[in-house]
Amino acid sequence: AQSVTQPDIHITVSEGASLELRCNYSYGATPYLFWYVQSPGQGLQLLLKYFSGDTLVQGIKGFEAEFKRSQSSFNLRKPSVHWSDAAEYFCAVGEGYQKVTFGTGTKLQVIP
Amino acid sequence: DGGITQSPKYLFRKEGQNVTLSCEQNLNHDAMYWYRQDPGQGLRLIYYSQIVNDFQKGDIAEGYSVSREKKESFPLTVTSAQKNPTAFYLCASQQVGGSYDTQYFGPGTRLTVL
Repeated sequence: AQSVTQPDIHITVSEGASLELRCNYSYGATPYLFWYVQSPGQGLQLLLKYFSGDTLVQGIKGFEAEFKRSQSSFNLRKPSVHWSDAAEYFCAVGEGYQKVTFGTGTKLQVIP
Repeated sequence: DGGITQSPKYLFRKEGQNVTLSCEQNLNHDAMYWYRQDPGQGLRLIYYSQIVNDFQKGDIAEGYSVSREKKESFPLTVTSAQKNPTAFYLCASQQVGGSYDTQYFGPGTRLTVL
C-alpha cells in the first residue's frame, strides 16, 4: 500500500530565510505527487504537482519541489519565506482516481 | 467563478442526531470525494463517487452515508452511528478520464458534537 511520510510536524523559520519541507513516499510505480497548502479553517490549495517529465517542478507562490526517485522523496522548497507562507503543508501521492494518500502535514511558523 | 462550495461552514450537532453536509461543484468534474481531517492525522477518505448514482466506501465509511443524484452535488450525512464525528470535513472533486488530474478542494465544514 502506498504511504506518505512528512517527518517534520512543525517547522519555524525566519522571514526571508530559505525553506525545505520533507516528504517521503512509498509506492511501487512512478507516483503522482502533490503538495497542498492549508490556512487555518480553510480547504486545501494545490501548490504544485508532479506527474512525469522534469523532476524539478515549479508551483505557485514561488514554491518548487524536486522528485528524487532514488530517495523516494518529493521535498518542497522556497528560497525566501514570507510571513504569509505560515500555514500547514500536505504532501500527497496518487495511485489512481480514488487512491490519494495524504501525509500528516507540516505546520510552518514564520517569525519576523 | 468555478469552484467547490461547502455549507455550512460551522455545524453543531447534538448526540443522536443525523446531520447533512452539503458539497456543490460547478467545475463539471465527474468524481467527488469526502475526507475527514483530524489534527495530526492528515486527510482520511470517507466516500467517493466517480459517476452519478454510484459511490464507493473509502477507508472510514462507518457511520456516514452519501448520495450522488446530480453530477454537481455530493452531500454527506453523518449519522448517529458515527461515534466520534467532531472533525473538519473536506469535499473535493476531480475530472476523470484522459490524463490524470488533480483533486480540488472546497473550503470545508467544521462539525462539532455538543
